Parts: sequence; C-alpha cells; structure tokens
Amino acid sequence: GAVVSQHPSRVICKSGTSVKIECRSLDFQATTMFWYRQFPKKSLMLMATSNEGSKATYEQGVEKDKFLINHASLTLSTLTVTSAHPEDSSFYICSANEPRSYNEQFFGPGTRLTVL
Amino acid sequence: AQSVTQLGSHVSVSEGALVLLRCNYSSSVPPYLFWYVQYPNQGLQLLLKYTSAATLVKGINGFEAEFKKSETSFHLTKPSAHMSDAAEYFCAVSTLTGGGNKLTFGTGTQLKVEL
Repeated sequence: GAVVSQHPSRVICKSGTSVKIECRSLDFQATTMFWYRQFPKKSLMLMATSNEGSKATYEQGVEKDKFLINHASLTLSTLTVTSAHPEDSSFYICSANEPRSYNEQFFGPGTRLTVL
Repeated sequence: AQSVTQLGSHVSVSEGALVLLRCNYSSSVPPYLFWYVQYPNQGLQLLLKYTSAATLVKGINGFEAEFKKSETSFHLTKPSAHMSDAAEYFCAVSTLTGGGNKLTFGTGTQLKVEL
C-alpha cells in the first residue's frame, strides 16, 4: 500500500523558534497533500491543502503566515510553524492523495510538537 | 457542505461482543465515505471505504460497514470485539476538490473493549 512518512515524529522547541515538519509520499506521487492538526482527544482539523507547485489553500481561521506550507515536489510537502508558542503545541498529521486509488488519502504517522 | 455525525463519543463492549459504531453523513452529492482507526500517538489507518460500488463494504480486521442512502448512514460493525480493537475511530466523508479529495471528519468514537 501507499506509504506516507513524517519527520520528525516528535519535537520539543523553545517559544519563539520555528519548526519544520516534513511529509513525504514514499512510493507514489502526490499532487495534493493535506495538513491536519489534532488536539488531545479531539478530531482532526484540516489546516490547509497543499498542491504541488502552487500556493497552499488555507482553511478559515488558520494563519497562513504562522503555518507556512511548501509543496516543492510531488513527494514532499513541508509545514513550518513560525515563531512557535505554547498554544501551537499539538499533534500534526499530514496526508497525501493517491490518484490511482479513488483519490484515497494516506496518512502519515503524525508529529508531536511541544513548545516550551 | 459535507458533514459527519458520530453518535457516542465513547463506546464500551465486552470482548467477543458485537461492535457497532454509528455514523451519519450529510452530503449534497453522492459521497465517498471512510472509516479510519487511530491508535494513541499514531496517524490514521484506513479500515474501509465506500466509493459507490457495493453498499456493504468489508474492511480490514473483520470490520464492515453498510451504506444506507435512505438513512444517510454508514455504521461500522464487527461481529466479535477483540482487545486489540480498542482505539479511536473516525468516520469521514470526502469532497472532490480541484486537486483531490478533501475529507471532513466526525468527532470520533473511543472504543473500549473489556474482558
């Protein structure tokens, strides 16, 4: 099956620093990737849709200058949390569309961000 | 707009008992529907999906779901619960966008399996 990886799996940073999270589709090309945020014991909240070679589409209420998304290739999308604060601490999950499989989304294992 | 409602944020069953997790959807067009499972601190794993073919969909780990258009439901069932089924389950409906499918998730149901 299609595999999506995320790196790092866990990151702790100081308030005010920036953190980059990578999402890679390992065995397929993904023109579209999605970034989600999940609060403890809550559902997934879509943050943005990332299309290769174009600007990401952000959901209402998500600060595009705070959460920078780059989709430079068909297998890599990155999410950078800029000037992170404790309230940005969360579980971030990416997914990628597999075009050959009814546009099914395959999910990465997630990244736990803790901002001190 | 698409939406998903999962009734029951917590469901508890005995090992060997029937599992029933409820999902109702709202969609203005024929939907694609999905059930995902999430174990602690992990991403989501697809259990099964409905893509307008057979209304009874069989998935992994003995789970199945039936698409009922008249009831706008897509409930997840398993005849006999196993301890390893304890996890968070999410129902989702998809919307085709210009670049792919955009998923809308329900609020999730935490399944507890007791001895």
